[in-house]
Amino acid sequence: GDKVKQSPSALSLQEGTNSALRCNFSIAATTVQWFLQNPRGSLINLFYLVPGTKENGRLKSAFDSKESYSTLHIRDAQLEDSGTYFCAANNAGAKLTFGGGTRLTVRP
Amino acid sequence: DTTVKQNPRYKLARVGKPVNLICSQTMNHDTMYWYQKKPNQAPKLLLFYYDKILNREADTFEKFQSSRPNNSFCSLYIGSAGLEYSAMYLCASSRDGATEVFFGKGTRLTVV
Repeated sequence: GDKVKQSPSALSLQEGTNSALRCNFSIAATTVQWFLQNPRGSLINLFYLVPGTKENGRLKSAFDSKESYSTLHIRDAQLEDSGTYFCAANNAGAKLTFGGGTRLTVRP
Repeated sequence: DTTVKQNPRYKLARVGKPVNLICSQTMNHDTMYWYQKKPNQAPKLLLFYYDKILNREADTFEKFQSSRPNNSFCSLYIGSAGLEYSAMYLCASSRDGATEVFFGKGTRLTVV
């Protein structure tokens, strides 16, 4: 089943615009991670979150454990932001459960 | 250093032949994982070690084996590769299973 639902599944952005990706959890997530899959297929760590928010450059992420969701905000999208973004939740069971991914394309 | 190292980066295997992938980390992490990643799919957990205890997912139980001879090293073994095993294999580790997980760069396996 979809324990971690990620939306949208695909997104096209004009360079310089802002957007947000979202994950909804049907498990009791205690921590959340966001990853970017690079063109080779490797997963790059973007954020590791306990409930709260973190910011890194043009990226900002929030995790609300009570409402069971997490968001990833991209500000001033650049061409190099293109790729597939994955969220993953840990419910203190030593396993990450991944969402289905959001394929982001940034257009010039 | 939060590096998880995987070798080789690319591997070509013949149908029916065994495949052994290796992974190492020097962060003294208790937990090491193996995931399978196919195009347009989420990473799929195959198995993980918590210390010396191996946990295999129910739907991949018979297809993959693993060993962890010491804290730093973990291997993934396929006894007889099939075409459906072609994928990216990602190794990962975390300090105690409930903290941040770090992934290696992966081994892209192609079975022909």
